[in-house]
Amino acid sequence: DVVMTQSPLSLPVTLGQPASISCRSSQSLAHSDGSTYLNWFQQRPGQSPRRLIYKVSKRDSGVPERFSGSGSGTDFTLKISRVEAEDVGVYYCMQGTDWPPITFGQGTRLEIK
Amino acid sequence: EVQLVESGGGLVQPGGSLRLSCVVSGLSFSNYWMSWVRQVPGRGLEWVANIKQDGSEKYYVDSVRGRFTISRDNAQNSLYLQMNSLRGEDTAVYFCARGQGPDEYWGQGTQVTVSS
Repeated sequence: DVVMTQSPLSLPVTLGQPASISCRSSQSLAHSDGSTYLNWFQQRPGQSPRRLIYKVSKRDSGVPERFSGSGSGTDFTLKISRVEAEDVGVYYCMQGTDWPPITFGQGTRLEIK
Repeated sequence: EVQLVESGGGLVQPGGSLRLSCVVSGLSFSNYWMSWVRQVPGRGLEWVANIKQDGSEKYYVDSVRGRFTISRDNAQNSLYLQMNSLRGEDTAVYFCARGQGPDEYWGQGTQVTVSS
């Protein structure tokens, strides 16, 4: 199984400051079809998860431009350019390249300092 | 508006069974893979199973294979998860989601509690 490791697990951030979350996979997520199936999800308190980013860097509809994804191979990053209060929650990376099983990272809890 | 509405959760004794349902509206259900994902309260997300558009392919996480069965009824725009031989570690909120790996559409979840 592909193991997804996120860091940090807890991320206190001052409003208006940038934030960065790392996600590393135990093997390359580059698929033979040329795509890399690495997604990022946000889960606000009391809500269902919401996909923010798919295929490493493609933003879903309605996702603010302050969210961006990057990376390749085994190393990926989700960046928030300027954190807002509504960004509080838990962020998960997920791989869909080598499955079953589809696997998630442990989650990173973002809080406001 | 796309909606995924789960139901069927509840309290069940170890070794018991439950059948979860997910009714989908606002999208062409038969065109998409569908998934079940679970979350132990306060913990992370775990993919449970998925099913191809026509039901011809089904995949499971090892911990539920042989105990859970995913199915769908495209005429009823519905996804199901039959859960047998339930264990305490199956206690979680179960979400249905569109996609082979869950994508942008998720339900609100249904709580399953396995306890005597």
